[in-house]
Amino acid sequence: QVQLVESGGGLVKPGGSLRLSCAASGFTFSDYYMSWIRQAPGKGLEWVSYISTSGSTIYYADSVKGRFTISRDNAKNSLYLQMNSLRAEDTAVYYCARVQHSGPDYWGRGTLVTVSS
Amino acid sequence: QSVLTQPPSASGTPGQRVTISCSGSSSNTGSKTVNWYQQLPGTAPKLLIYSNNQRPSGVPDRFSGSKSGTSASLAISGLQFEDEADYYCAAWDDSLNGLYVFGAGTKVTVL
Repeated sequence: QVQLVESGGGLVKPGGSLRLSCAASGFTFSDYYMSWIRQAPGKGLEWVSYISTSGSTIYYADSVKGRFTISRDNAKNSLYLQMNSLRAEDTAVYYCARVQHSGPDYWGRGTLVTVSS
Repeated sequence: QSVLTQPPSASGTPGQRVTISCSGSSSNTGSKTVNWYQQLPGTAPKLLIYSNNQRPSGVPDRFSGSKSGTSASLAISGLQFEDEADYYCAAWDDSLNGLYVFGAGTKVTVL
């Protein structure tokens, strides 16, 4: 069955960096676009970024553009999110999700990122 | 402020039918299909309805979706206590350079 497992979250100071990873299994990873979606504590869902199958097409939300970088390694069935210049408002649970034509279908359990001094 | 508009809350008693609306614009719900996600307390969102009205395998047929123009709706018939959750509508948006937009979510309470 499809499994997505995020890791790499934690506590970081404002201005710091963090790299999230998502390990995928149960499907042919290289056949699917992948995305990162976040949810601030007690808030709704926010699309962060997505990447095409080969990595040639990438989109970012305006709120993270220039600070976050999405990437993937199809040989390792893994998705990444490099987060730099972190701000308090980036505090959230970050979900990795597989993307279908209609939108995300399978989601991981998420990893919590807390930006605080 | 979310691009898609949902009511913040809805409620019903067991067995009742509850409907949640989702309003967007011509660049998202008006021209793209709508997905609905269910988020039970403390868990990750789960795809409930895709492409306006399609249920993934395993989703009970008590859940149904529809779309007309720029508005979509999710109906839960035969409401059960286990349906108490947050529900989000979502769609691709043509005007936002490839972004996927969500509603703010509707908290469904089973009384």
